[in-house]
Amino acid sequence: QSVLTQPPSASGTPGQRVTISCSGSSPNIGNNPVNWFQHLPGTAPKLLIYNNNQRPSGVPDRFSGSKSGTSASLAISGLQSEEEADYYCAAWDGSLSAYVFGTGTKVTVL
Amino acid sequence: EVQLVESGGGLVQPGGSLSLSCVASGFTFSTYWMHWVRQAPGKGLEWVANINFDGSKQYYVASVKGRFTISRDNAKSSLSLQMNSLRVEDTAVYYCRAAQPTVDHWGQGTLVTVSS
Repeated sequence: QSVLTQPPSASGTPGQRVTISCSGSSPNIGNNPVNWFQHLPGTAPKLLIYNNNQRPSGVPDRFSGSKSGTSASLAISGLQSEEEADYYCAAWDGSLSAYVFGTGTKVTVL
Repeated sequence: EVQLVESGGGLVQPGGSLSLSCVASGFTFSTYWMHWVRQAPGKGLEWVANINFDGSKQYYVASVKGRFTISRDNAKSSLSLQMNSLRVEDTAVYYCRAAQPTVDHWGQGTLVTVSS
């Protein structure tokens, strides 16, 4: 099991706002920046958020990230059908000396 | 155009070995930490290993320590993963990832199947 816990699923209708949580602990989220990835089936994962709340070039501002203590969250506003995918948080864990992915959240667009 | 192309996947028996390769183009390979990430069938992403810019530091997930070895050749812009003593639970699509703090590139993955 991963040390970063996410809800297994989330859903919304087109245009709605969806939020995904990521719960960790001091050695990972508590002391290291969080990244968020989008993974569509059959494709390469894509970096959505780095350093807790920064967007790489080309990522729409509808995607936003935040971190507080040992938890982080990803928000998708104005949900679009093509954003139906799996979303993962990730961070370095200083205690494990390993990079850890969250358990993943499947977002469904209703 | 940025490209990461993995190769070397296939079917191998438990206890066997396999070597994966990832060839990069379109960016300055030597300025990126390189990672292997895998996804087992029906499961989430799992980080496997990474290596720093000049190959002097490597880190591994606990389940592969002592069995897998990550290495890189900056002159050839290539990344490798030598996998020994393979187990059924190592069956997965293996992705190559190039990472900087603000930039990230991934390959399309190569399938490794460990089965008798």
